[in-house]
Amino acid sequence: DVVMTQSPLSLPVTLGQPASISCRSSQSLVSSDGHTYLNWFQQRPGQSPRRLIYKISNRDSGVPDRFSGSGSGTDFTLKISRVEAEDVGVYYCMQGTHWPRTFGQGTKVEIK
Amino acid sequence: EVQLVDSGGDLVQPGGSLRLSCAASGFTFSSYWMSWVRQAPGKGLESVANIKQDGSEKNYVDSVKGRFTISRDNAKSSLYLQMNSLRAEDTALYYCARGNNLDFWGQGTLVTVSS
Repeated sequence: DVVMTQSPLSLPVTLGQPASISCRSSQSLVSSDGHTYLNWFQQRPGQSPRRLIYKISNRDSGVPDRFSGSGSGTDFTLKISRVEAEDVGVYYCMQGTHWPRTFGQGTKVEIK
Repeated sequence: EVQLVDSGGDLVQPGGSLRLSCAASGFTFSSYWMSWVRQAPGKGLESVANIKQDGSEKNYVDSVKGRFTISRDNAKSSLYLQMNSLRAEDTALYYCARGNNLDFWGQGTLVTVSS
């Protein structure tokens, strides 16, 4: 199975400041169709996960533009340009190229 | 509006069976792969199974192979997960999600395996 490794696992952030989460995969996520199926999800406390980013850097509908994704191959990053109170929760990366789909351990974002 | 409503979770004894359902609306169900994902209490996310649009291809994570069966009824816009020989480690909140890259999720249904 493809192992997805996130860091850090805990991220205390000051409101209005940027935040960055790293995700590394144990093998390339480039699919046979040429796409890289790397997704980012947000799970607010008590809620279902919500997809924020797909194929590395594409924001889902309704996702604020302070969220951005980047990376290639096996190394990916989610950035929040200015953290707001509603961004508190756990963030997961997930690869959708190989079966089984695998998730990172999750990064807990909290306000300092 | 896309909606996925999960149901069927319950408390069941080890070795027991349960069938989960997911009712979909707001999109053309038969056009999408569908997936089941679970989350043990206080833990991360784990893909369990997925199924192709016409049901001709199914994939399972190793830990549930031979015990769980994913199926769908496109006429009813519904997804199912038949779970047999349940173990304590299957205790989790089970979510259905749309597609292979999980763009929409249900609210989850809780399965507790305990004597």
